[in-house]
Amino acid sequence: GENVEQHPSTLSVQEGDSAVIKCTYSDSASNYFPWYKQELGKRPQLIIDIRSNVGEKKDQRIAVTLNKTAKHFSLHITETQPEDSAVYFCAAYSGSARQLTFGSGTQLTVLP
Amino acid sequence: DTAVSQTPKYLVTQMGNDKSIKCEQNLGHDTMYWYKQDSKKFLKIMFSYNNKELIINETVPNRFSPKSPDKAHLNLHINSLELGDSAVYFCASSHSGLAGGPRNEQFFGPGTRLTVL
Repeated sequence: GENVEQHPSTLSVQEGDSAVIKCTYSDSASNYFPWYKQELGKRPQLIIDIRSNVGEKKDQRIAVTLNKTAKHFSLHITETQPEDSAVYFCAAYSGSARQLTFGSGTQLTVLP
Repeated sequence: DTAVSQTPKYLVTQMGNDKSIKCEQNLGHDTMYWYKQDSKKFLKIMFSYNNKELIINETVPNRFSPKSPDKAHLNLHINSLELGDSAVYFCASSHSGLAGGPRNEQFFGPGTRLTVL
């Protein structure tokens, strides 16, 4: 089945700096890669997603890149703010398994 | 106008008991899911279900069973609860994709924190 690895597990940045979270996946048939943000005690919520026919997608301060050949994708957050502090999860949708497999999460802390 | 709701929010029970968690979505989605999030925050799919097919993660014990009375509901029944079942359980829903993948995002419920004593 699909295996998604996510790094780093924790990340601290100063307010205004950029943050990058990286994920790799194993199933070359995976075709959909969402990123979720989970604030403490809350539900995971989608912040951005990318499909395998696109290399990059941007939405204001967040962007995601996908390298299908290398089977990795990354989340980039620019001009970080304290409210960006949360756990971020990458995920990959495997067509063969027909389910989302999540990475292990990254605890992002933005220091004021 | 809650999109995906779960009850109860908290559930504290003794080992060996049987319990259920209810989930409802009003988004008109055709596929619903149950996830388990452990103390280390790992999110693992347990089940995905639409009106055609139930997909079970092979690692889920058969003490866990989903029950869907209709397309808007997917309840989770747990028999003979064990200490290791303590976790937060999230229900989610989405449209199923034409190409086999989710056409839209998965919307999560607020979670049910299960504590087994």
